[in-house]
Amino acid sequence: KQEVTQIPAALSVPEGENLVLNCSFTDSAIYNLQWFRQDPGKGLTSLLLIQSSQREQTSGRLNASLDKSSGRSTLYIAASQPGDSATYLCAVRGNAGNMLTFGGGTRLMVKP
Amino acid sequence: DAGVIQSPRHEVTEMGQEVTLRCKPISGHNSLFWYRQTMMRGLELLIYFNNNVPIDDSGMPEDRFSAKMPNASFSTLKIQPSEPRDSAVYFCASSAGGVPVHFGDGTRLSIL
Repeated sequence: KQEVTQIPAALSVPEGENLVLNCSFTDSAIYNLQWFRQDPGKGLTSLLLIQSSQREQTSGRLNASLDKSSGRSTLYIAASQPGDSATYLCAVRGNAGNMLTFGGGTRLMVKP
Repeated sequence: DAGVIQSPRHEVTEMGQEVTLRCKPISGHNSLFWYRQTMMRGLELLIYFNNNVPIDDSGMPEDRFSAKMPNASFSTLKIQPSEPRDSAVYFCASSAGGVPVHFGDGTRLSIL
């Protein structure tokens, strides 16, 4: 059974810092990996999707990498802003079905 | 372009009552998922459908929970009878092939 872990569970940084969020998964037989953002009381917004054949994806100040063999993904946020404050979740889709298995999330606070 | 639409947004009801949550997936998406989110357990997959057919319902907590997808544009999740421990945010999500999974805004359910 796939298990997804995110470290740290919470992170507080001053505005302007570059930061890295980590995601690890136990079964490397994945179809893709997706990073989401969730604001308090809201749904999940998809940020980046990395297919299993890809090593990284970029969108603006966000860069996500995937090392399937070691079961790891990182989300890099450059020049963090207070508006980046949210919970970030990673989720993996296995090869045997369409469903996503989620990590517990990293709660990020960027202080002005 | 409309996203995944869930209703109601909030539901407060008394223990023992029947609760019905509704979801309209994104047009053209052939996979639909129901997730439940709590502070203690994070995001848990309850059931998912592919082409309107339930594929995996192993996450459905017990017989009090049932889900249907009568056509490609509508799904329901029903709890009967409801219990206080069912209080959570219930998300519906949809996807097609390898595209990112899109989530609705969720239904915040409180059982008194």
